[in-house]
Amino acid sequence: SQKIEQNSEALNIQEGKTATLTCNYTNYSPAYLQWYRQDPGRGPVFLLLIRENEKEKRKERLKVTFDTTLKQSLFHITASQPADSATYLCALSGTASKLTFGTGTRLQVTL
Amino acid sequence: GAVVSQHPSWVICKSGTSVKIECRSLDFQATTMFWYRQFPKQSLMLMATSNEGSKATYEQGVEKDKFLINHASLTLSTLTVTSAHPEDSSFYICSARAVFGRVSYEQYFGPGTRLTVT
Repeated sequence: SQKIEQNSEALNIQEGKTATLTCNYTNYSPAYLQWYRQDPGRGPVFLLLIRENEKEKRKERLKVTFDTTLKQSLFHITASQPADSATYLCALSGTASKLTFGTGTRLQVTL
Repeated sequence: GAVVSQHPSWVICKSGTSVKIECRSLDFQATTMFWYRQFPKQSLMLMATSNEGSKATYEQGVEKDKFLINHASLTLSTLTVTSAHPEDSSFYICSARAVFGRVSYEQYFGPGTRLTVT
Protein backbone atom coordinates (compact mmCIF):
# COMPACT_ATOMS: atom_id res chain seq x y z
CA SER A 1 0.00 0.00 0.00
CA GLN A 2 1.03 3.61 -0.50
CA LYS A 3 3.06 5.08 2.31
CA ILE A 4 4.27 8.63 2.84
CA GLU A 5 6.64 9.36 5.70
CA GLN A 6 7.93 12.68 6.90
CA ASN A 7 11.02 12.97 9.03
CA SER A 8 10.58 13.12 12.76
CA GLU A 9 7.43 14.32 14.31
CA ALA A 10 9.10 17.50 15.50
CA LEU A 11 12.05 19.58 14.32
CA ASN A 12 13.55 22.31 16.46
CA ILE A 13 15.88 24.87 14.92
CA GLN A 14 17.30 28.24 15.79
CA GLU A 15 16.09 31.43 14.13
CA GLY A 16 18.11 32.30 11.04
CA LYS A 17 19.07 28.72 10.24
CA THR A 18 17.78 26.68 7.33
CA ALA A 19 15.12 24.12 8.17
CA THR A 20 15.11 20.99 6.02
CA LEU A 21 12.10 18.71 6.07
CA THR A 22 11.98 15.33 4.37
CA CYS A 23 9.17 13.48 2.66
CA ASN A 24 9.72 9.87 1.56
CA TYR A 25 7.20 7.72 -0.21
CA THR A 26 6.84 4.10 -1.29
CA ASN A 27 4.55 2.19 -3.63
CA TYR A 28 3.61 5.39 -5.42
CA SER A 29 4.52 7.17 -8.63
CA PRO A 30 3.08 10.63 -8.13
CA ALA A 31 2.70 13.13 -10.91
CA TYR A 32 2.69 16.00 -8.43
CA LEU A 33 4.06 16.63 -4.97
CA GLN A 34 2.78 19.49 -2.86
CA TRP A 35 3.77 21.07 0.43
CA TYR A 36 1.30 22.64 2.81
CA ARG A 37 1.55 24.50 6.09
CA GLN A 38 -0.97 23.83 8.84
CA ASP A 39 -1.37 25.85 12.01
CA PRO A 40 -3.20 24.36 15.04
CA GLY A 41 -6.95 24.25 14.53
CA ARG A 42 -6.70 25.54 10.96
CA GLY A 43 -6.89 24.09 7.50
CA PRO A 44 -3.71 23.54 5.47
CA VAL A 45 -2.34 26.41 3.41
CA PHE A 46 -0.85 25.64 0.00
CA LEU A 47 2.85 26.51 -0.33
CA LEU A 48 4.43 24.87 -3.36
CA LEU A 49 3.72 22.30 -6.04
CA ILE A 50 6.40 20.45 -7.98
CA ARG A 51 5.83 18.15 -10.93
CA GLU A 52 7.49 14.80 -11.48
CA ASN A 53 9.61 16.18 -14.30
CA GLU A 54 10.88 19.09 -12.20
CA LYS A 55 13.91 18.82 -9.94
CA GLU A 56 13.57 21.98 -7.92
CA LYS A 57 11.22 24.84 -7.33
CA ARG A 58 11.64 28.02 -5.30
CA LYS A 59 9.36 30.63 -3.83
CA GLU A 60 10.86 33.40 -1.72
CA ARG A 61 12.55 31.64 1.26
CA LEU A 62 11.15 28.24 0.31
CA LYS A 63 12.77 25.60 -1.85
CA VAL A 64 11.47 22.17 -2.79
CA THR A 65 13.37 19.36 -4.49
CA PHE A 66 11.85 16.23 -5.96
CA ASP A 67 13.89 13.09 -6.63
CA THR A 68 11.70 10.43 -8.23
CA THR A 69 14.56 7.92 -8.18
CA LEU A 70 15.03 8.21 -4.44
CA LYS A 71 11.27 8.74 -4.01
CA GLN A 72 11.99 11.73 -1.84
CA SER A 73 11.25 15.41 -1.58
CA LEU A 74 13.15 17.91 0.53
CA PHE A 75 11.55 21.13 1.72
CA HIS A 76 13.85 23.94 2.81
CA ILE A 77 13.03 27.15 4.65
CA THR A 78 16.00 29.50 4.63
CA ALA A 79 16.55 32.26 7.21
CA SER A 80 13.86 30.68 9.36
CA GLN A 81 11.76 32.85 11.67
CA PRO A 82 9.61 32.05 14.70
CA ALA A 83 6.58 32.78 12.50
CA ASP A 84 7.55 29.75 10.41
CA SER A 85 6.69 27.50 13.35
CA ALA A 86 3.87 25.21 12.20
CA THR A 87 3.21 21.70 10.96
CA TYR A 88 4.30 21.08 7.39
CA LEU A 89 2.57 18.44 5.32
CA CYS A 90 3.67 16.90 2.07
CA ALA A 91 1.00 15.52 -0.22
CA LEU A 92 1.20 13.43 -3.36
CA SER A 93 -1.23 13.15 -6.22
CA GLY A 94 -1.59 11.58 -9.59
CA THR A 95 -3.38 13.24 -12.47
CA ALA A 96 -6.74 12.80 -10.75
CA SER A 97 -5.70 15.46 -8.22
CA LYS A 98 -6.69 13.34 -5.25
CA LEU A 99 -4.18 14.13 -2.51
CA THR A 100 -2.60 11.65 -0.13
CA PHE A 101 -1.02 13.38 2.83
CA GLY A 102 2.05 12.52 4.82
CA THR A 103 2.20 12.36 8.57
CA GLY A 104 3.47 15.93 8.92
CA THR A 105 6.49 17.47 10.60
CA ARG A 106 6.04 19.99 13.39
CA LEU A 107 8.64 22.75 13.02
CA GLN A 108 9.55 24.92 15.99
CA VAL A 109 11.82 27.91 15.34
CA THR A 110 13.28 29.42 18.48
CA LEU A 111 15.00 32.72 19.09
CA GLY B 1 -7.47 34.94 -4.32
CA ALA B 2 -8.51 31.25 -3.99
CA VAL B 3 -10.30 31.59 -0.67
CA VAL B 4 -12.40 28.75 0.72
CA SER B 5 -14.75 29.22 3.64
CA GLN B 6 -16.48 26.72 5.90
CA HIS B 7 -19.49 27.10 8.12
CA PRO B 8 -19.82 26.55 10.96
CA SER B 9 -16.29 26.74 12.36
CA TRP B 10 -17.35 24.57 15.27
CA VAL B 11 -20.46 22.69 16.30
CA ILE B 12 -21.55 20.61 19.27
CA CYS B 13 -24.44 18.25 18.77
CA LYS B 14 -26.14 15.43 20.62
CA SER B 15 -25.66 11.83 19.61
CA GLY B 16 -28.20 10.75 17.01
CA THR B 17 -28.72 14.16 15.43
CA SER B 18 -27.51 15.32 12.01
CA VAL B 19 -25.11 18.14 11.28
CA LYS B 20 -24.56 19.98 8.00
CA ILE B 21 -21.24 21.62 7.14
CA GLU B 22 -20.95 24.06 4.23
CA CYS B 23 -17.90 24.64 2.10
CA ARG B 24 -17.78 27.61 -0.27
CA SER B 25 -15.22 28.82 -2.77
CA LEU B 26 -15.46 32.60 -2.47
CA ASP B 27 -13.61 33.98 -5.46
CA PHE B 28 -13.35 31.12 -7.90
CA GLN B 29 -15.39 28.28 -9.29
CA ALA B 30 -14.62 24.78 -8.14
CA THR B 31 -15.85 21.87 -10.19
CA THR B 32 -14.22 19.53 -7.69
CA MET B 33 -14.23 19.77 -3.93
CA PHE B 34 -12.77 17.34 -1.42
CA TRP B 35 -13.76 16.46 2.13
CA TYR B 36 -11.17 15.39 4.69
CA ARG B 37 -11.25 14.33 8.30
CA GLN B 38 -8.41 14.89 10.72
CA PHE B 39 -8.13 13.33 14.17
CA PRO B 40 -5.84 14.87 16.81
CA LYS B 41 -2.13 14.59 15.99
CA GLN B 42 -2.91 12.76 12.76
CA SER B 43 -2.76 13.80 9.15
CA LEU B 44 -5.68 14.53 6.86
CA MET B 45 -7.59 11.55 5.55
CA LEU B 46 -9.61 11.99 2.37
CA MET B 47 -13.24 11.01 2.85
CA ALA B 48 -14.76 11.81 -0.53
CA THR B 49 -14.42 13.71 -3.77
CA SER B 50 -17.34 15.92 -4.69
CA ASN B 51 -18.00 16.89 -8.31
CA GLU B 52 -20.51 19.56 -9.20
CA GLY B 53 -23.70 18.07 -10.55
CA SER B 54 -22.81 14.45 -9.94
CA LYS B 55 -22.59 11.94 -7.12
CA ALA B 56 -19.65 12.06 -4.77
CA THR B 57 -16.95 9.41 -4.86
CA TYR B 58 -16.22 7.99 -1.42
CA GLU B 59 -12.97 6.52 -0.20
CA GLN B 60 -12.85 2.97 1.01
CA GLY B 61 -14.25 2.62 4.50
CA VAL B 62 -16.29 5.82 4.42
CA GLU B 63 -20.05 5.21 4.71
CA LYS B 64 -21.82 7.19 2.01
CA ASP B 65 -25.18 6.92 3.78
CA LYS B 66 -23.70 8.43 6.91
CA PHE B 67 -21.71 11.22 5.28
CA LEU B 68 -24.00 12.78 2.69
CA ILE B 69 -22.31 15.09 0.21
CA ASN B 70 -24.06 17.51 -2.09
CA HIS B 71 -22.26 19.71 -4.62
CA ALA B 72 -25.15 21.70 -6.00
CA SER B 73 -23.21 24.60 -7.51
CA LEU B 74 -19.72 25.53 -8.62
CA THR B 75 -19.13 27.36 -5.34
CA LEU B 76 -20.87 25.24 -2.71
CA SER B 77 -20.51 21.73 -1.37
CA THR B 78 -22.14 20.44 1.79
CA LEU B 79 -21.32 17.52 4.06
CA THR B 80 -24.08 16.19 6.29
CA VAL B 81 -23.10 13.86 9.11
CA THR B 82 -26.25 11.85 9.75
CA SER B 83 -27.06 10.21 13.08
CA ALA B 84 -23.82 11.47 14.54
CA HIS B 85 -22.06 9.50 17.27
CA PRO B 86 -19.19 10.46 19.57
CA GLU B 87 -16.71 8.60 17.35
CA ASP B 88 -17.61 11.05 14.55
CA SER B 89 -16.13 13.87 16.59
CA SER B 90 -13.28 15.21 14.50
CA PHE B 91 -11.96 18.15 12.50
CA TYR B 92 -13.61 18.21 9.08
CA ILE B 93 -11.85 20.15 6.34
CA CYS B 94 -12.91 20.80 2.78
CA SER B 95 -10.77 21.84 -0.14
CA ALA B 96 -11.41 23.05 -3.63
CA ARG B 97 -9.37 22.59 -6.74
CA ALA B 98 -8.85 25.93 -8.41
CA VAL B 99 -8.83 26.09 -12.17
CA PHE B 100 -7.76 29.41 -13.65
CA GLY B 101 -8.07 28.85 -17.36
CA ARG B 102 -5.87 25.76 -17.15
CA VAL B 103 -5.77 22.50 -15.31
CA SER B 104 -4.49 23.11 -11.83
CA TYR B 105 -3.66 20.62 -9.14
CA GLU B 106 -3.25 22.98 -6.24
CA GLN B 107 -5.93 22.60 -3.64
CA TYR B 108 -7.12 25.41 -1.42
CA PHE B 109 -8.43 24.44 1.96
CA GLY B 110 -11.13 25.82 4.18
CA PRO B 111 -10.42 26.69 7.81
CA GLY B 112 -12.05 23.49 9.05
CA THR B 113 -15.06 22.63 11.21
CA ARG B 114 -14.61 21.14 14.66
CA LEU B 115 -17.44 18.69 15.32
CA THR B 116 -18.04 17.44 18.85
CA VAL B 117 -20.76 14.86 19.41
CA THR B 118 -21.88 14.44 23.00
